[in-house]
Amino acid sequence: GESVGLHLPTLSVQEGDNSIINCAYSNSASDYFIWYKQESGKGPQFIIDIRSNMDKRQGQRVTVLLNKTVKHLSLQIAATQPGDSAVYFCAATNTGAQKLVFGQGTRLTINP
Amino acid sequence: EAQVTQNPRYLITVTGKKLTVTCSQNMNHEYMSWYRQDPGLGLRQIYYSMNVEVTDKGDVPEGYKVSRKEKRNFPLILESPSPNQTSLYFCASSQGLGNQPQHFGDGTRLSIL
Repeated sequence: GESVGLHLPTLSVQEGDNSIINCAYSNSASDYFIWYKQESGKGPQFIIDIRSNMDKRQGQRVTVLLNKTVKHLSLQIAATQPGDSAVYFCAATNTGAQKLVFGQGTRLTINP
Repeated sequence: EAQVTQNPRYLITVTGKKLTVTCSQNMNHEYMSWYRQDPGLGLRQIYYSMNVEVTDKGDVPEGYKVSRKEKRNFPLILESPSPNQTSLYFCASSQGLGNQPQHFGDGTRLSIL
């Protein structure tokens, strides 16, 4: 079945630096991908999504890159702030599927 | 405000005592789902519902029941809770699944003694 994995369980960056969180998926039929942010004591919060007909999508300070050839996606956060400290999950699904498959999460820590 | 509301947020109970965790969404979403989150295992789907009266098993359905009698509510029922069901539970909803992000509640932390 589908599996989604994150490359690093933890990541520390300096405040103001850019951070990149990576994710790999196994199912080549996956065509919709989502990044979530989970802060302590809260549920996962939607950050940004991307469909397989795109290879890049930008939001406010965030960019998601999708490489379908190697089944890899990444979340880039520009000019990280203390409020960016959280666990970040990627998730994948495909049109017609009935479930979203989540990676295990990367804990991002912002150092002052 | 668009939201998914779970109750209770915290519960400590004992083995075998039936409990229900409620979930309600105010976005008129068709798809709803329950997950449990455990350290090292990530989010695992318990049950999901594509629409009213339509429910299906996820990856870890054993020991759980759900119902979807109306669109906004999707309660999770533990008929005879056991300690291995101690976990953090999340309810989520979305309009569709393959092209819309799921919105999550803030979680219910269950401790089964």
